[in-house]
Amino acid sequence: AQSVTQPDIHITVSEGASLELRCNYSYGATPYLFWYVQSPGQGLQLLLKYFSGDTLVQGIKGFEAEFKRSQSSFNLRKPSVHWSDAAEYFCAVGNQAGTALIFGKGTTLSVSS
Amino acid sequence: DAGVIQSPRHEVTEMGQEVTLRCKPISGHDYLFWYRQTMMRGLELLIYFNNNVPIDDSGMPEDRFSAKMPNASFSTLKIQPSEPRDSAVYFCASRPDRGVNTEAFFGQGTRLTVV
Repeated sequence: AQSVTQPDIHITVSEGASLELRCNYSYGATPYLFWYVQSPGQGLQLLLKYFSGDTLVQGIKGFEAEFKRSQSSFNLRKPSVHWSDAAEYFCAVGNQAGTALIFGKGTTLSVSS
Repeated sequence: DAGVIQSPRHEVTEMGQEVTLRCKPISGHDYLFWYRQTMMRGLELLIYFNNNVPIDDSGMPEDRFSAKMPNASFSTLKIQPSEPRDSAVYFCASRPDRGVNTEAFFGQGTRLTVV
């Protein structure tokens, strides 16, 4: 069955520093991968998605992610973090039927000044 | 479009009471999903519908949970009777049917506390 692992429960990054959030997936075929962000008290907002093609995907708010099939990974990156990026980040994979998303448990990002 | 609308935003109820959570999906979306978010288990998919028909309810934890979608613009998730371990944030999401794995759009969630 499909699954997603986000190894880091909580990460703290200094404002202006670079960020990388890890995501590993388990899926037999070509996965459909997503990153969502959840601000406190809010719903989830899509940051970016990967279906096929270029393995480096650009998203909103200056985020990007790279799909690496050999490592079963889809890590999220940002070159310079802003205080407003503090939130919870979820990686997700499409289920085998192509109908629903299976989420990881999330990584909470704190930004220090 | 106002997005996915969930009500209420917060619900506090006593153990044993019936709780009904409501969701209005984005107009024109064919899929509707119910997720539950807890610290321990993260975001779990409970059930989803396609064109008002339940497709997969394997994530529904117990018979105390039920979900309906009587029409394309409304869905409910009911817990009867509620228990303290049902305390969580429940999210509704919807998406159009434009091929596999189009992204889902989420509501703001209902925070349920069962005391």
